[in-house]
Amino acid sequence: EIVLTQSPGTLSLSPGERATLFCRASQSVSSNYLAWYQQKPGQAPRLLIYGGSSRATGIPDRFSGSGSGTDFTLTISRLEPEDFAVYCCQQYDNSPLTFGGGTKVEIK
Amino acid sequence: EVQLLESGGGLLQPGGSLRLSCAASGFTFSSHAMTWVRQAPGKGLERVSTISGSGDGTLYGDSVRGRFTISRDNSKNTVYLQMNSLRAEDTAVYYCAKHNGDGHGSAFFQHWGQGTLVTVSS
Repeated sequence: EIVLTQSPGTLSLSPGERATLFCRASQSVSSNYLAWYQQKPGQAPRLLIYGGSSRATGIPDRFSGSGSGTDFTLTISRLEPEDFAVYCCQQYDNSPLTFGGGTKVEIK
Repeated sequence: EVQLLESGGGLLQPGGSLRLSCAASGFTFSSHAMTWVRQAPGKGLERVSTISGSGDGTLYGDSVRGRFTISRDNSKNTVYLQMNSLRAEDTAVYYCAKHNGDGHGSAFFQHWGQGTLVTVSS
């Protein structure tokens, strides 16, 4: 099973700042089969990025994904008030598909 | 518009059984694998079970294998999760999620249901 470790656990930032979130896999994720989700309290996750770097439908271009192999990054170029939430990565290369533990982006 | 509507959650005692349903619309149901994902209170996401578009292939997480059974009825555009021998640690919001397709590399989720809460407590 591929274990995904996200860091940091919590990121305290102000609106307008840049957020950089990390997801490290315990073994290589081939074909960049890695997705990122945003989740707000009481809501289902929202797909942001798939294939490591492809934005999902309707996702603003301030969200970007990068990386390969075992190290992946989600960047939010300028935080908007609605971006404060929990972000989670997921690999879908190997079975079982697995999720990271999440990074909470909170208002500083 | 893709819609996924879960139902069947509730409060029950340890050892009990429950069947969750997820009614789908807005897409060609049989062309997409489906997955149940759960989230325990304050915790992260956990894949529970996956079923292929045809229903011939199923996968289970270690924590539920032998107790839960996933199935689908493509004539009714519905996927089910039969949960038996429930434990307190099964308490979670259960989401159904639509795969991007039905093959390798399609198991990411653009569409999710709203979730249904299952609480197992004596």
